[in-house]
Amino acid sequence: YELTQPPSVSVSPGQTARITCSGDGLGKEYAYWYQQKPGQAPVLVIYRDSERRSGIAERFSASTSGTIATLTISGVQAEDEADYYCQSGGGRGIPYVFGPGTTVTVL
Amino acid sequence: EVQVVQSGGGLVQPGGSLRLSCKVSGFNFNLYAMSWVRQAPGKGLEWVSTSGGNGGGTYHAESMRGRFTISRDNSKNTLYLQMSALRADDTAKYFCARDVTPAAYGAFDVWGQGTIVTVSS
Repeated sequence: YELTQPPSVSVSPGQTARITCSGDGLGKEYAYWYQQKPGQAPVLVIYRDSERRSGIAERFSASTSGTIATLTISGVQAEDEADYYCQSGGGRGIPYVFGPGTTVTVL
Repeated sequence: EVQVVQSGGGLVQPGGSLRLSCKVSGFNFNLYAMSWVRQAPGKGLEWVSTSGGNGGGTYHAESMRGRFTISRDNSKNTLYLQMSALRADDTAKYFCARDVTPAAYGAFDVWGQGTIVTVSS
């Protein structure tokens, strides 16, 4: 399965950012979301479509409908500026596939 | 405290070999699937290889199959990636990562700091 994400999303502080991830495998496989800041390792933010990981700010939420997963950042803050990757299972023999990533810019 | 320490990166000529290591502590290494994920300069994340926990099997991405071999030494809490026939497009930062499950097909909740591999003459 392949995953598709928009290359970039721009949002003003305090507004809502939505990042989509589409792929034929979604709905059959869970979607996971990572945040990666420059020079750092990725951080798991959301697991199993919509579960926010412990320690992650409540403004991060996610859902999956059909073959589209969406990460929502409500009340965006400057510190949320980062690359965001969706990930899912890739089908038989391919445990993981990543989306191409979305750069979130806080204006 | 969970710790992941990676080593083994460096500069290698095209066609050469390199072995990466990932030593962990703070959790029962044997129980978890462990993977390598790479990121070429300025590019996105790419899954490379996985070693299942609890004696589970191994998986390799298609483009690395036959050139890269993942292995683990549970007695040393260490994951390895043996890379051979390296090409310029293997140049990347390689991350070691833990899956939340033994069987893979989950998500990566613990990551190493990454080690840089540069393939160039």
